[in-house]
Amino acid sequence: GENVEQHPSTLSVQEGDSAVIKCTYSDSASNYFPWYKQELGKRPQLIIDIRSNVGEKKDQRIAVTLNKTAKHFSLHITETQPEDSAVYFCAASSSYGQNFVFGPGTRLSVLP
Amino acid sequence: GAGVSQSPSNKVTEKGKDVELRCDPISGHTALYWYRQSLGQGLEFLIYFQGNSAPDKSGLPSDRFSAERTGGSVSTLTIQRTQQEDSAVYLCASSLALGWGGSSYNEQFFGPGTRLTVL
Repeated sequence: GENVEQHPSTLSVQEGDSAVIKCTYSDSASNYFPWYKQELGKRPQLIIDIRSNVGEKKDQRIAVTLNKTAKHFSLHITETQPEDSAVYFCAASSSYGQNFVFGPGTRLSVLP
Repeated sequence: GAGVSQSPSNKVTEKGKDVELRCDPISGHTALYWYRQSLGQGLEFLIYFQGNSAPDKSGLPSDRFSAERTGGSVSTLTIQRTQQEDSAVYLCASSLALGWGGSSYNEQFFGPGTRLTVL
């Protein structure tokens, strides 16, 4: 089955700096890669996603890149703000929703 | 509109008792997922339902866990003979559909979770 690894497990950055979180997956059939943000005590929420026929997607300060050959994808947050502090989860699935597997999460702290 | 709701929000039970957790998905969402999240940990997939298809039960950790979805809407997750290691937050999520239709189809909307504590 699919296995998703995520690094780093914790990340601290200064406000205004960039943050990068990387994930790798094992199943070459995976074709949908969302990222979820979970603030303390709250439920996870989708922040961006990418599908396998696209190499990069950007939404304001957030971007995701996908390398299908290497089976890894990354989340990039630029100009970080304190409200970006949260746990971020990557996920991979095949058939755009089946066999959904989440990574273990990255706790991002943005220091003012 | 109303989001995904779950009940109860908190459940404390004694070891060996059965518990039922309820999830009300967003109206019209055909896909429904159950996850378990232990303190400070990631999201562990348990089971998902899609329309009238047979559910994918591949994530259920033991035969003490079962789930059903009645009428393609409300779902209940049942844990029999609870153990202390079952203590966690149980999250339910729903999405509009499987298949690619953009983020609006595949985005999972999570409920607030049920915090289960087994004494």
